Amino acid sequence: QQQVKQSPQSLIVQKGGISIINCAYENTAFDYFPWYQQFPGKGPALLIAIRPDVSEKKEGRFTISFNKSAKQFSLHIMDSQPGDSATYFCAASGVLTGGGNKLTFGTGTQLKVEL
Amino acid sequence: EAQVTQNPRYLITVTGKKLTVTCSQNMNHEYMSWYRQDPGLGLRQIYYSMNVEVTDKGDVPEGYKVSRKEKRNFPLILESPSPNQTSLYFCASSLGRGLSGYTFGSGTRLTVV
Repeated sequence: QQQVKQSPQSLIVQKGGISIINCAYENTAFDYFPWYQQFPGKGPALLIAIRPDVSEKKEGRFTISFNKSAKQFSLHIMDSQPGDSATYFCAASGVLTGGGNKLTFGTGTQLKVEL
Repeated sequence: EAQVTQNPRYLITVTGKKLTVTCSQNMNHEYMSWYRQDPGLGLRQIYYSMNVEVTDKGDVPEGYKVSRKEKRNFPLILESPSPNQTSLYFCASSLGRGLSGYTFGSGTRLTVV
């Protein structure tokens, strides 16, 4: 059961272009939506995150857009650079019954930024 | 340096031979979790622990065991590994619910032949 659906699976963007990755979730109990960036041979690292009470969050060249009614959120990378080439994972988190926490990941997008 | 340390980084083993992948964090995080990463499937949670002696199953717990006897350590145990457990494994830790982010280890690439 895939609770967070991510697309596209892979993406090629020219340097200076905009990279857009989309995610959709099903569980309305999710209340925290982070994006992780993973370089080859490394573990994922938090890039940017948003709570559902805001529709957009921007940090430098990275922006999350959030649509609560559609249960969708997306990552926009402005002025994409070759150093942005990595795998990007969206995720969603919610408090479980009993107080536990669960971070559910999308299937990942492999981004390549070409010169 | 704040980090999550996994060992070993690479492991090739045979079907049925018990193995343990260690995970240690030096950030005094309450929450620790194990994920496996497979092509096309993303990161799937195996087990998690909210604190010492408190563990629970994630999405794909079959064939795995964990323990949390100390706050800093969260080993992953494969009692009888099978080829379908060939994967890239990540340990992660966070403070509380992880709203300031999870810290991941560098991964353990396991091959079961």
